[in-house]
Amino acid sequence: NAGVTQTPKFRVLKTGQSMTLLCAQDMNHEYMYWYRQDPGMGLRLIHYSVGEGTTAKGEVPDGYNVSRLKKQNFLLGLESAAPSQTSVYFCASSSPGNYGYTFGSGTRLTVV
Amino acid sequence: GNSVTQMEGPVTLSEEAFLTINCTYTATGYPSLFWYVQYPGEGLQLLLKATKADDKGSNKGFEATYRKETTSFHLEKGSVQVSDSAVYFCALSDYPGGKLIFGQGTELSVKP
Repeated sequence: NAGVTQTPKFRVLKTGQSMTLLCAQDMNHEYMYWYRQDPGMGLRLIHYSVGEGTTAKGEVPDGYNVSRLKKQNFLLGLESAAPSQTSVYFCASSSPGNYGYTFGSGTRLTVV
Repeated sequence: GNSVTQMEGPVTLSEEAFLTINCTYTATGYPSLFWYVQYPGEGLQLLLKATKADDKGSNKGFEATYRKETTSFHLEKGSVQVSDSAVYFCALSDYPGGKLIFGQGTELSVKP
């Protein structure tokens, strides 16, 4: 009963490096989300997906790309990391018509 | 667009004090409203929710009432404990399962 699993949990990148964050859910949820959490700013939506093969921009999409090739996975990519992308990233999933959202435990990313 | 505004923190209370954390929202239609809690070093947990006007959500001694006339969803607890120390987030969604819009979070610190 894993729920939403995020990998990795911690990562340090150098400016300009690239990486991919993986979110996997085992609840057959249609919707998946990527948020970033910064002090004093709450959680802000980066990108989201309402189904396999679909993605959409959220509030702060610049510098990120996403893919949802399989229903259970939602990948967040940083092509050229910048210090402004230092943050804690949370993935979440949900189903349409249902009020339950499941969050992952987060990925703490530091860009130096 | 939709938005959520919370009172700024940090809020520092003595054990057994009364807690109120204000939350107001801007939204078209009839959003669902949520309070999430984040304990130190952890992810987000749903604390309570309300899905229509005048609904009262409650859990673990916390309560919040969906007030459409004042577009508010204030969180209250009659007697806080040290273990309630955490960051509290107010959030809304346009429809069940839809993307969550978060407030900026309010840090609560309860002293013995």
